[in-house]
Amino acid sequence: GQNIDQPTEMTATEGAIVQINCTYQTSGFNGLFWYQQHAGEAPTFLSYNVLDGLEEKGRFSSFLSRSKGYSYLLLKELQMKDSASYLCAVVDSNYQLIWGAGTKLIIKP
Amino acid sequence: IAGITQAPTSQILAAGRRMTLRCTQDMRHNAMYWYRQDLGLGLRLIHYSNTAGTTGKGEVPDGYSVSRANTDDFPLTLASAVPSQTSVYFCASSEGQNTGELFFGEGSRLTVL
Repeated sequence: GQNIDQPTEMTATEGAIVQINCTYQTSGFNGLFWYQQHAGEAPTFLSYNVLDGLEEKGRFSSFLSRSKGYSYLLLKELQMKDSASYLCAVVDSNYQLIWGAGTKLIIKP
Repeated sequence: IAGITQAPTSQILAAGRRMTLRCTQDMRHNAMYWYRQDLGLGLRLIHYSNTAGTTGKGEVPDGYSVSRANTDDFPLTLASAVPSQTSVYFCASSEGQNTGELFFGEGSRLTVL
């Protein structure tokens, strides 16, 4: 079966750096998305990786290793507003989107 | 630009009743999706449509139906609601089938008693 694994919950301190990992086993690969979802709100797009390597976008970066079935989202200079769930999703060979259950990130002052 | 609009935002429904969740987008996207989100389970695809006039079943389609009469509208119908359909429902759209960013509506919180 197809599977996306992410930690259920992580805690970090304001101003610090946190890395949220995502491992996947899917039938084929056509890209990996990261979305942010604040409590009670809709998911919003953060990043998309289809080639190996690091994509940087401001305080957020996303890394992909297709050979390892692994990605991470790196958040720098954490702010209280970064408290949210972070969803990893993979596009498989049939262009179906497989979602992880999400990682709840708690930021402490 | 409104993006995606869902209605209602919240609804309490008696079991056995019929309910339609409405979804409208103004981005002229070809693909639209209905997801449900339950605590600890993440987003699960109910039905999708890659273009107007076509629909397909997702991971959890039982008890739900959809139609795509035009590009903009993609309603989700529960023919006879059951308590296990209590969830938050998100409508989403993208230019092509999962080939780009998904844009989500604000969600519809449905409680079936």
